Amino acid sequence: ELKVEQNPLFLSMQEGKNYTIYCNYSTTSDRLYWYRQDPGKSLESLFVLLSNGAVKQEGRLMASLDTKARLSTLHITAAVHDLSATYFCAVEDASYDKVIFGPGTSLSVIP
Amino acid sequence: EAGVAQSPRYKIIEKRQSVAFWCNPISGHATLYWYQQILGQGPKLLIQFQNNGVVDDSQLPKDRFSAERLKGVDSTLKIQPAKLEDSAVYLCASSLDPGFGSYEQYFGPGTRLTVT
Repeated sequence: ELKVEQNPLFLSMQEGKNYTIYCNYSTTSDRLYWYRQDPGKSLESLFVLLSNGAVKQEGRLMASLDTKARLSTLHITAAVHDLSATYFCAVEDASYDKVIFGPGTSLSVIP
Repeated sequence: EAGVAQSPRYKIIEKRQSVAFWCNPISGHATLYWYQQILGQGPKLLIQFQNNGVVDDSQLPKDRFSAERLKGVDSTLKIQPAKLEDSAVYLCASSLDPGFGSYEQYFGPGTRLTVT
């Protein structure tokens, strides 16, 4: 059964700093998704990564996928307060036509 | 393009009562999902529909939860009878047919259920 882990689960970082959130998964998958959830709100799609080596960037966020290592990273550059949210990765289990969500990383960017 | 619609947005009921949630997915999306999200946790898939059929309902507590998807479009999720531990946000999401290349999901605003 596909399992998805994220670390860290909680992250407090200062504005202007860089940091990386990691998403590990347990079985072969070529597709991975990143979502953002603001407090009290629903989930919003950030990135869709559909192949090994895929890299996507939007503003201060960059996501990458290494299917051989079963690892995706979400890199934050020069963090700003507006990036404070919970970030979820979700991995596609092609064998079962399912997507499994990780536990989420709660990010707080402080001045 | 209209997003995923859900109603009601908030619901407060007493334990042992019943409740129903409604979801209207994005037009043309073949796959519909219901998730339960307890405060501080990630979304937990309750049921996944592909058109009219159920793809996965392994985590749906079938003794009290039921769901249907009408004509492959709208869906309802029902809880009867509710328990205190059912207090959560119920999220509906939809995605295109996987033949289009991905399972990118679009989420509705959610229904916040409080069971007292």
